[in-house]
Amino acid sequence: DGGITQSPKYLFRKEGQNVTLSCEQNLNHDAMYWYRQDPGQGLRLIYYSQIVNDFQKGDIAEGYSVSREKKESFPLTVTSAQKNPTAFYLCASRPTFDYGYTFGSGTRLTVV
Amino acid sequence: KQEVTQIPAALSVPEGENLVLNCSFTDSAIYNLQWFRQDPGKGLTSLLLIQSSQREQTSGRLNASLDKSSGRSTLYIAASQPGDSATYLCAVEVVNAGKSTFGDGTTLTVKP
Repeated sequence: DGGITQSPKYLFRKEGQNVTLSCEQNLNHDAMYWYRQDPGQGLRLIYYSQIVNDFQKGDIAEGYSVSREKKESFPLTVTSAQKNPTAFYLCASRPTFDYGYTFGSGTRLTVV
Repeated sequence: KQEVTQIPAALSVPEGENLVLNCSFTDSAIYNLQWFRQDPGKGLTSLLLIQSSQREQTSGRLNASLDKSSGRSTLYIAASQPGDSATYLCAVEVVNAGKSTFGDGTTLTVKP
């Protein structure tokens, strides 16, 4: 079945540590997105990529980094510069702009 | 900058009631509007996508309408069931933005 796979489902980060969240899709979509969701709030865009080897900052990119070396993969690294990383992270993809989004099941990141 | 508002933030109804969820946006130059459902701790599931040239879309007991001139969309749920309990979010894509803006969602509880 085609879809988006996010892993791990739960992730724990120690202070000062970088962690990487995985997002893989087999839908042959060109565009991929990373969102952050805090309790009771909507989605805020971190980074997005409309084509391989290119990506743009979203509204809250500070403390995060991404790469897009393959069409299927768009990993997100939460760096130690992100002071409040505890949140639910969602990855999405779509064929291109003007199409609807398909979302993964999310990764819950907690700082310990 | 596009702003998307969903009111009310929470809604509780008895089973069997027909209900309407609202989504308002400030910039009417949009490509599309998408409605999602999110269960607690899960990713987003797409319900309906309305292109800017369309006035409504239907899927089963769900009907979404779009009025660009007034900056409004409504999601109508007929004969609500306890299984409809979830948070409903709308996402609006402005022309040439390459990304969408999400509302904070309406949390629906359908009581048996």
